[in-house]
Amino acid sequence: GENVEQHPSTLSVQEGDSAVIKCTYSDSASNYFPWYKQELGKRPQLIIDIRSNVGEKKDQRIAVTLNKTAKHFSLHITETQPEDSAVYFCAASAPRSNDYKLSFGAGTTVTVRA
Amino acid sequence: GAGVSQSPRYKVAKRGQDVALRCDPISGHVSLFWYQQALGQGPEFLTYFQNEAQLDKSGLPSDRFFAERPEGSVSTLKIQRTQQEDSAVYLCASSSDPTSGIYEQYFGPGTRLTVT
Repeated sequence: GENVEQHPSTLSVQEGDSAVIKCTYSDSASNYFPWYKQELGKRPQLIIDIRSNVGEKKDQRIAVTLNKTAKHFSLHITETQPEDSAVYFCAASAPRSNDYKLSFGAGTTVTVRA
Repeated sequence: GAGVSQSPRYKVAKRGQDVALRCDPISGHVSLFWYQQALGQGPEFLTYFQNEAQLDKSGLPSDRFFAERPEGSVSTLKIQRTQQEDSAVYLCASSSDPTSGIYEQYFGPGTRLTVT
């Protein structure tokens, strides 16, 4: 099955700086890669996703990049704000192979220092 | 519109008791997923429904876990003879129609199960 690894496990950044979280996956059939933000005691919230037919996608201060050859994908948050503090999870699935379940990384706890 | 809802939000069960957890997906969403999230970990897949059909139950940890979605809408996850290792947050997610290329999954708030 799919194995997703996520680094770092914790990340502390100064407000206004950038944060980068990296994930690797093992199954070459995976072609859908969402990112979720989870605040303490809350539901995981989909913040951005990317499919294997594109290499980069941006949405305001958030961007995701994908390197299919290396099986890497990354989340970039620019101009971080205190409300960006949360746990972020990367995930992967292979819907083109009719495998819709998400395999998640272990999460990155991001703390934005004011 | 209304998102995915789950009930109860918290459940305490004595070891050996049976529990039933409910999920109400977003109206019209064809696909429904159950995940288990242990403390400090990412969600782990349990089972998947397309309408009323349970197409993948490969993540259910034992035969004490059973899920159903009889009318293709509300789903119930049942755990029989609960054990301490079943303590976790159980998350439900729904997706519009992944077979049509819509892959986004939207999560409910979860049910936190504590087995004492």
